[in-house]
Amino acid sequence: EAGVVQSPRYKIIEKKQPVAFWCNPISGHNTLYWYLQNLGQGPELLIRYENEEAVDDSQLPKDRFSAERLKGVDSTLKIQPAELGDSAVYLCASSLGDTVMNEQYFGPGTRLTVT
Amino acid sequence: GEDVEQSLFLSVREGDSSVINCTYTDSSSTYLYWYKQEPGAGLQLLTYIFSNMDMKQDQRLTVLLNKKDKHLSLRIADTQTGDSAIYFCAAGGSQGNLIFGKGTKLSVKP
Repeated sequence: EAGVVQSPRYKIIEKKQPVAFWCNPISGHNTLYWYLQNLGQGPELLIRYENEEAVDDSQLPKDRFSAERLKGVDSTLKIQPAELGDSAVYLCASSLGDTVMNEQYFGPGTRLTVT
Repeated sequence: GEDVEQSLFLSVREGDSSVINCTYTDSSSTYLYWYKQEPGAGLQLLTYIFSNMDMKQDQRLTVLLNKKDKHLSLRIADTQTGDSAIYFCAAGGSQGNLIFGKGTKLSVKP
């Protein structure tokens, strides 16, 4: 069974440019998460989807970040315009979402460098 | 909000036991988790413990939970060089998300 797939793995852009990250969760997983991981830190939740509905986007900086999960499967996270401080790893995770245990499976992440 | 704290570094010799400690603040966390992250990779769930348990053992891994003190530990027996990685403690947040600590970098010396 394929795990969580993310692309691209690495992205280098200049500040003020737009950037998009893509995530394909594990088949059958209804819940999808985007996390931000700064260097030397643990992941921090940006947004959580239940199917196609964003049920927790309280930590998403909505002035420049947006996300969508059309048809409740793949998801895209966008930053426009990017700032130097956005350099980080963006992790996508998925889970079945129907148990209290809520085991989350993580993708390898997209490492973004903003110059 | 929920806060999870861990020591940042641990160095052990191959064959010794490693103990990684974690404290959390939200006593309502139902599950507590340990994740492993190798360089350039995503997080891999190692083990978890339900909040009404004191201990869970899974092969070389032993998780101890002191719910009164909100203290969680991960013991790795017979630590190998392949165990070198960053280990994250995580608590289940009230919104169904996970709150992670900053991670403990485990270095295993031959």
